Amino acid sequence: AQSVTQLDSQVPVFEEAPVELRCNYSSSVSVYLFWYVQYPNQGLQLLLKYLSGSTLVKGINGFEAEFNKSQTSFHLRKPSVHISDTAEYFCAVQGIQGAQKLVFGQGTRLTINP
Amino acid sequence: GAVVSQHPSRVICKSGTSVKIECRSLDFQATTMFWYRQFPKQSLMLMATSNEGSKATYEQGVEKDKFLINHASLTLSTLTVTSAHPEDSSFYICSARGAQRGFAGELFFGEGSRLTVL
Repeated sequence: AQSVTQLDSQVPVFEEAPVELRCNYSSSVSVYLFWYVQYPNQGLQLLLKYLSGSTLVKGINGFEAEFNKSQTSFHLRKPSVHISDTAEYFCAVQGIQGAQKLVFGQGTRLTINP
Repeated sequence: GAVVSQHPSRVICKSGTSVKIECRSLDFQATTMFWYRQFPKQSLMLMATSNEGSKATYEQGVEKDKFLINHASLTLSTLTVTSAHPEDSSFYICSARGAQRGFAGELFFGEGSRLTVL
């Protein structure tokens, strides 16, 4: 089984400042890792995913994440945030084999202040 | 990217009635669909996994008779909340997986359906 921990429930940041949203996971098998964004009353939009290969993954809207196997982390970063980045962000993990269910973290609410 | 559509996006019903939510994969065949429930300001909790043509597999603690899931075709899955009560009010999100789109394990999410039971 897999589990995901997002260490911060809320992250307030000023506009144009850098941001890092932290995510740690636990799994007994190899995994795929994802970051999703959710705007109010909407479904989930995929920001980026790590399947294999380069540990630095670039996604949409200027976000990137780095897979660190030794630390079992997959932190999300953006060098300069915009007001429109205000949303809920979910880290998720999926076992490569088996049921392949997607397990979500608790979510981090990113609030961008002008 | 692949499109998954949910309908209705919002529904309000009286306590005791049943509500059906549809989840459609518009441009690919979804071999597996998942239904999630999300309470306000919380994460998504997997309710059940459905494979086309077979019975859904429910997660522990989810009532099968309460939340009926049907995956009758490769493009449609439905979630029926039977005899709804106010505590069933929530945001329900479906996701779909199809081997033809993206990598074999990738999920595509619907827009969600907000159910309010009065």
